[in-house]
Amino acid sequence: EPEVTQTPSHQVTQMGQEVILRCVPISNHLYFYWYRQILGQKVEFLVSFYNNEISEKSEIFDDQFSVERPDGSNFTLKIRSTKLEDSAMYFCASFRIKAFFGQGTRLTVV
Amino acid sequence: GESVGLHLPTLSVQEGDNSIINCAYSNSASDYFIWYKQESGKGPQFIIDIRSNMDKRQGQRVTVLLNKTVKHLSLQIAATQPGDSAVYFCAETGETSGSRLTFGEGTQLTVNP
Repeated sequence: EPEVTQTPSHQVTQMGQEVILRCVPISNHLYFYWYRQILGQKVEFLVSFYNNEISEKSEIFDDQFSVERPDGSNFTLKIRSTKLEDSAMYFCASFRIKAFFGQGTRLTVV
Repeated sequence: GESVGLHLPTLSVQEGDNSIINCAYSNSASDYFIWYKQESGKGPQFIIDIRSNMDKRQGQRVTVLLNKTVKHLSLQIAATQPGDSAVYFCAETGETSGSRLTFGEGTQLTVNP
């Protein structure tokens, strides 16, 4: 079965630093997403991306966040100046007929 | 606001029993519903989905039931196995293709051997 792959699996960063989380969606999918999950909580929507632009974003997705699909295969989430409360699991997902999730990147901000 | 929620935060069953996990949603415009299984430290794993024009869909050992009248979704797992132990989330999305998934709170299913 095709799968969404994410790297790195774990990222530790100092507060105020920039991080880039990477995702390779399923190749023939059309919609791409980032979600996050704070430990013990439900999965929360951040942003969706279609046709090389943001199609929808949540109130969590403020100016510190950005997404890019630089080369037609990778899909990245950048956090410009990380805060302690950005510590969470970040999941990439892609959708054509069904939505599939990657295994996530655990971001720890110290 | 619109939300998707689960009735029970935890469910404990004996191996071999059938499990039923429930979910209530409040967005009447929801068109597509998915059940995900999440094991510790992993991403949500697609289990089964159903569209609003159906009221039942069966997979391998799993059945999803949709009652649009009362905005209720359930996941039935037959002959539950220890490997089924995980957190189960329902998710819903609206009519627009590719629109965001809204997740419920999750139910922790524990299967006792």
